[in-house]
Amino acid sequence: NAGVTQTPKFQVLKTGQSMTLQCAQDMNHNSMYWYRQDPGMGLRLIYYSASEGTTDKGEVPNGYNVSRLNKREFSLRLESAAPSQTSVYFCASRPNTDTQYFGPGTRLTVL
Amino acid sequence: AQRVTQPEKLLSVFKGAPVELKCNYSYSGSPELFWYVQYSRQRLQLLLRHISRESIKGFTADLNKGETSFHLKKPFAQEEDSAMYYCALSKSGTSYDKVIFGPGTSLSVIP
Repeated sequence: NAGVTQTPKFQVLKTGQSMTLQCAQDMNHNSMYWYRQDPGMGLRLIYYSASEGTTDKGEVPNGYNVSRLNKREFSLRLESAAPSQTSVYFCASRPNTDTQYFGPGTRLTVL
Repeated sequence: AQRVTQPEKLLSVFKGAPVELKCNYSYSGSPELFWYVQYSRQRLQLLLRHISRESIKGFTADLNKGETSFHLKKPFAQEEDSAMYYCALSKSGTSYDKVIFGPGTSLSVIP
């Protein structure tokens, strides 16, 4: 199993550009999550999906949209990137009530 | 609302000394608490969860519902324990809910 994979690993955008961060898991987990990691702020939940076809806002959803395309994939879209969205983005998945499994992260810089 | 606090951003201890990383939470329901660790340049991984009541890599944590705390302890710190530690909170008994993280504590073990 590859576990949780994320693409791309690195990305540089200009203010106002759009992009989609991809996340996939091959562990047949129901729940998936997107977090951003910033120094001193820890991990903050952007959006999560309890199951295929459902999504819910987390702590910091503004400026982001998500799509739970199927059970495997959960994408995060920035429609108009802003410098405040410079961060490291982590995707995670979770089976039943067990631990979360994290991807390797995407380092995004918005100029 | 769910909230997790970790009062220490940075913690430095000497090798062989005891370690305690503090975690407090606020949650109106029945919580499930986790400790995750992130070693340099690696993805987050579960260290332990309160429901399993186990010791991992010499670390233990006890849920104190009266004090709403879930402090992480180790009697003798090792250099390889240097990492970022995150406390996390979820609703007990279901994966169909968000998982909220604290801001993290960076532990540095001095040789």
